[in-house]
Amino acid sequence: GENVEQHPSTLSVQEGDSAVIKCTYSDSASNYFPWYKQELGKRPQLIIDIRSNVGEKKDQRIAVTLNKTAKHFSLHITETQPEDSAVYFCAASRGKRSNTGKLIFGQGTTLQVKP
Amino acid sequence: GAGVSQSPSNKVTEKGKDVELRCDPISGHTALYWYRQSLGQGLEFLIYFQGNSAPDKSGLPSDRFSAERTGGSVSTLTIQRTQQEDSAVYLCASSLVSSGGSEQYFGPGTRLTVT
Repeated sequence: GENVEQHPSTLSVQEGDSAVIKCTYSDSASNYFPWYKQELGKRPQLIIDIRSNVGEKKDQRIAVTLNKTAKHFSLHITETQPEDSAVYFCAASRGKRSNTGKLIFGQGTTLQVKP
Repeated sequence: GAGVSQSPSNKVTEKGKDVELRCDPISGHTALYWYRQSLGQGLEFLIYFQGNSAPDKSGLPSDRFSAERTGGSVSTLTIQRTQQEDSAVYLCASSLVSSGGSEQYFGPGTRLTVT
């Protein structure tokens, strides 16, 4: 069945360091991969996404890489700041190949940035 | 403009009772999703609505769960004969484009506690 594995479950870094979160997916038909940030008690919010026709995408301090052959994708946050502390979720969907945009989520990574 | 709204924000119910959760999507968004987030877990897909098409119910955990979307807008998720394992945050999301691969905007969620 469809499954997304996410690692690590917790990550603690010093302010200014980089953080990397990795996900693997099982459904080879997946071609849309968003990342959501969820602060404590708040709703998930999209921070970046990537589609299968590209291998990397950047937005300021955030970047996502995709390896379709290996079926894994990663989130990279550089120059981390305390406000980056949150739970991060990766997800996968079949995108425009499917008549449903349902997202299959990873289990989440709790990122703590120490000042 | 207004985002996705959900009501109630919190619901405490006794085991065996029925509950109704409401979602108001962003105006003009054609797709609507329900997800469930158990404590410390990722988001689990429940059901998807798109226009007049038959909903994708593949994520509903049992026949005690049902949902409807009236007039292509407001949606109600109903859980009959609630069980303690139903306790979770129920999140609704909507997206503008009908096909997959579009950003999903989440509501604040309804925290359901079954005692």
